[in-house]
Amino acid sequence: DTEVTQTPKHLVMGMTNKKSLKCEQHMGHRAMYWYKQKAKKPPELMFVYSYEKLSINESVPSRFSPECPNSSLLNLHLHALQPEDSALYLCASSQGPNQETQYFGPGTRLLVL
Amino acid sequence: SQQGEEDPQALSIQEGENATMNCSYKTSINNLQWYRQNSGRGLVHLILIRSNEREKHSGRLRVTLDTSKKSSSLLITASRAADTASYFCATGALYNQGGKLIFGQGTELSVKP
Repeated sequence: DTEVTQTPKHLVMGMTNKKSLKCEQHMGHRAMYWYKQKAKKPPELMFVYSYEKLSINESVPSRFSPECPNSSLLNLHLHALQPEDSALYLCASSQGPNQETQYFGPGTRLLVL
Repeated sequence: SQQGEEDPQALSIQEGENATMNCSYKTSINNLQWYRQNSGRGLVHLILIRSNEREKHSGRLRVTLDTSKKSSSLLITASRAADTASYFCATGALYNQGGKLIFGQGTELSVKP
């Protein structure tokens, strides 16, 4: 199984809502990533989890809260988002945390109203 | 900040022609990777070239790396309409934290049938 899955595919939320994005991989990868991507721009790294511990936080606002319940799952909890947070959120995983090939999920398209 | 720059930003060719995309970066690297992204979807890893390699092939793809010029090129031979996508280079910096890749701005390739 070489797939990274993400749910939901689309999400519309108001600025006062709380929602969560989910990501799952069953490749035994020990590093997982969250990226944010705006239209016609490259992905921007948000967080890296290495062996289930947060290893990189790219100065992301606290309204984004990552969680890694186990080695296969990665969540991104969203609270009090702003309209400018509307974007495609991509999850990725790699075998280890050493700049190796990353496998991406299809993304969650988020719209904040 | 993004360290990779790609040119051209957009490229339109006919099926059967070759497509060449270039990537430049600023710092010393461990490796350079190329990814493809179909519209609004996740990224797909194409090829990884290590800093001690100069050229690599995979099917219709040929990647070169010139560390003295801090640049790489991706050649797609005999292009097909299905190659229409955005292509990103991504670098793992030599002295950077584990796992972090920095993506270039991307080249939007359009292959007309």
